[in-house]
Amino acid sequence: EVQLVESGGGLVQPGGSLKLSCAASGFTFSGSTMHWVRQASGKGLEWVGHIRSKPKNYATAYAESVKGRFTISRDDSENTAYLQMNSLKPEDTAVYYCTRQDDTIDYWGQGTLVTVSS
Amino acid sequence: QTVVTQEPSLTVSPGGTVTLTCASSTGAVTSGYYPNWFQQKPGQVPRALIYSTSNRHSWTPARFSGSLLGGKAALTLSAVQPEDEADYYCLLYYGGAWVFGGGTKVTVL
Repeated sequence: EVQLVESGGGLVQPGGSLKLSCAASGFTFSGSTMHWVRQASGKGLEWVGHIRSKPKNYATAYAESVKGRFTISRDDSENTAYLQMNSLKPEDTAVYYCTRQDDTIDYWGQGTLVTVSS
Repeated sequence: QTVVTQEPSLTVSPGGTVTLTCASSTGAVTSGYYPNWFQQKPGQVPRALIYSTSNRHSWTPARFSGSLLGGKAALTLSAVQPEDEADYYCLLYYGGAWVFGGGTKVTVL
């Protein structure tokens, strides 16, 4: 059974940093592209970024809204993807989901809430 | 900045048919945008419905179908059930980055 479990969310002050984790199980993690998607309360989905697999050189891509502030990484030995968030702004407040892309974007985690507030 | 546009809301009667569309600010949507569709019910995690324009996931009911229509990606719900009331999001690929549409709230009434 495919499982994705996000963790690391919480309350952080504007300008602060936070690192989210996405622990994966039930599939060959090393072969999958991993995405991060966020959703502010009452708002739509926003694609944050992704990291490809080793054969694709762990290539990353980011939404313009987070480029230069957020970094996605992965540890294939731990079956875990990460989202390092720096210079956080109140508008980054959202539930953050990780999703996997094998041939398709299919399974999603339950999400972790990040609140940026003083 | 690329914008993906969906109808904000649509209403359909039980047993009826409704088509949602997904337009790109860059021009016509083609199969090369690998359109995906997701369903999200209140308080739930999004669920994948359609990938690569028209392919259903193993769990997607046959009443959901994807297509390209008039330069847009489209999701058609046929024989609509009350449980189909939800928000629907399209997702398009722009050669490296992905962009979600703003979502369509489908009301079954």
